[in-house]
Amino acid sequence: NAGVTQTPKFQVLKTGQSMTLQCAQDMNHNSMYWYRQDPGMGLRLIYYSASEGTTDKGEVPNGYNVSRLNKREFSLRLESAAPSQTSVYFCASSEGVTREGRETQYFGPGTRLLVL
Amino acid sequence: RKEVEQDPGPFNVPEGATVAFNCTYSNSASQSFFWYRQDCRKEPKLLMSVYSSGNEDGRFTAQLNRASQYISLLIRDSKLSDSATYLCVVNRREVVTGSYIPTFGRGTSLIVHP
Repeated sequence: NAGVTQTPKFQVLKTGQSMTLQCAQDMNHNSMYWYRQDPGMGLRLIYYSASEGTTDKGEVPNGYNVSRLNKREFSLRLESAAPSQTSVYFCASSEGVTREGRETQYFGPGTRLLVL
Repeated sequence: RKEVEQDPGPFNVPEGATVAFNCTYSNSASQSFFWYRQDCRKEPKLLMSVYSSGNEDGRFTAQLNRASQYISLLIRDSKLSDSATYLCVVNRREVVTGSYIPTFGRGTSLIVHP
């Protein structure tokens, strides 16, 4: 099991360029998430997908779009990158509501993005 | 007020020490609670869930106080390998979708020195 994989690991963009961050999980999880992590800010939720075919905004969705392509894959797109989007992006997945009503999240290794 | 607050530290302790972190949350509808550990430049990983009755996993003990809306993590007999950032996570259930929405604290940095 690879768990949660993300590509690319690193990326440098110029302001205004677009790119898509890819995320895939092989744990048959229902829920998937995209976060960004900035120094001193902790992880902030950008978008999440509770199940295949659904997506919802998180705390900081502006400037991003997402696609839940199928149960395995959840991509994050920056249509016109800005320096403020320089960050580390983490994808995560979880099985959904467990019997105890808990969700454990499993994270990918992250994508480090620099926007110049 | 941030939804989930933690003292960023760093907590600088010698090996063998006992150290405790607290985390407070503002949304009384929060339903599940966790501690994650994050090593430098790595992804967060689940350390332990937090139950109302308190729970222990080896040297780690987690407590939840719903009345005061805080959770705690106690680490006994600290090891050098415990050096990391500890993230408090609070899940609340979204009414419309039924999804659990996680909110992370900013993390507390722990440095264990020889």
